[in-house]
Amino acid sequence: DAGVTQSPTHLIKTRGQQVTLRCSPKSGHDTVSWYQQALGQGPQFIFQYYEEEERQRGNFPDRFSGHQFPNYSSELNVNALLLGDSALYLCASSSQNTYQPQHFGDGTRLSIL
Amino acid sequence: GQQLNQSPQSMFIQEGEDVSMNCTSSSIFNTWLWYKQDPGEGPVLLIALYKAGELTSNGRLTAQFGITRKDSFLNISASIPSDVGIYFCAGERPMNRDDKIIFGKGTRLHILP
Repeated sequence: DAGVTQSPTHLIKTRGQQVTLRCSPKSGHDTVSWYQQALGQGPQFIFQYYEEEERQRGNFPDRFSGHQFPNYSSELNVNALLLGDSALYLCASSSQNTYQPQHFGDGTRLSIL
Repeated sequence: GQQLNQSPQSMFIQEGEDVSMNCTSSSIFNTWLWYKQDPGEGPVLLIALYKAGELTSNGRLTAQFGITRKDSFLNISASIPSDVGIYFCAGERPMNRDDKIIFGKGTRLHILP
């Protein structure tokens, strides 16, 4: 039973570029949440997707956008990258049918030069 | 963004010692979660608490959901080298299952040789 998988594992971009990160939820899960974890900090909630719609959003600018596909996988897009966007981006999945805590992937390490 | 107050920030202990860490908030949570994160990996759920006053164990780990619903603690007994890592508390206020998780900044556990 595959857990939450994220790709790529590492990524290097320059300021002003755009990036797309991908997440496949754990089998049986239909809800995907994205978090940003800066070095030395706890994860910060970006947004959550369910039924292909953004349901809730944290305090992140519109440069951060997402998408959920019919197979429940999800993408996180960040435009006009800033140095401060360097972080570990975590995806977590859960199920609306059974209340269980979110399961996290191992993240994508994004470095902005 | 909003975060929980987690303490201590770091701990240096001898192998075999007991460990205690806690988390407080000005807000009430319906669920308290404790995660462990190893380098290069995503957070892994250790214990989930769903009811005020609840005391739950998972092997050498014990956690409690505070009566006020604004705090939680995690104890680790007889620490071993693989306990090294960062421990995060997280609070959740699931309303129709669409709420986000709010994380503390983490407690870094070091075990001295």
